[in-house]
Amino acid sequence: KNEVEQSPQNLTAQEGEFITINCSYSVGISALHWLQQHPGGGIVSLFMLSSGKKKHGRLIATINIQEKHSSLHITASHPRDSAVYICAIFGNEKLTFGTGTRLTIIP
Amino acid sequence: DTAVSQTPKYLVTQMGNDKSIKCEQNLGHDTMYWYKQDSKKFLKIMFSYNNKELIINETVPNRFSPKSPDKAHLNLHINSLELGDSAVYFCASSQGLAGVWEQYFGPGTRLTVT
Repeated sequence: KNEVEQSPQNLTAQEGEFITINCSYSVGISALHWLQQHPGGGIVSLFMLSSGKKKHGRLIATINIQEKHSSLHITASHPRDSAVYICAIFGNEKLTFGTGTRLTIIP
Repeated sequence: DTAVSQTPKYLVTQMGNDKSIKCEQNLGHDTMYWYKQDSKKFLKIMFSYNNKELIINETVPNRFSPKSPDKAHLNLHINSLELGDSAVYFCASSQGLAGVWEQYFGPGTRLTVT
């Protein structure tokens, strides 16, 4: 079992919908990252969290350390948000990645 | 200006060959990484260098050898290429050690071994 589990694996939604992607992990961590991989392959770091909540534009990331869970929310989703979203944890002195959530936003 | 650059972007080669992928960052970061993304899109860290010193060396065949001539460069040399080495390789950098600093990724190098 992977130390990092993401759900759902695939998500298709209509433009404008509120999107939630979940990440659960099973070890103690120092930080959690959310990354976005564009259809062209490029990877961008969206957030790094160790507690609480962060917001950047229409994206919000939250983490609950006690429950070992993080969520990435996208408000007013747009087709350009279509990408793979990857959760990664830093714990036991190593970085471990989830398998990603493929998000498709239909106009 | 490109923050983290990799060359080449595509690399097609035959089994048994030796090849190198180059990475350069102009962000002034102390730490650089190599990641492998397999056909299932699963990312895995291979190596991490901090100030030209190897910090992380995950279970990677010793055919893979990273070389850091200076803080701004981390090259990946692969000997005796095998079919299973086909993947996309990403270089990244961060201000400090892995995990607690935001990482900046290069565009990736798609390696195809035939």
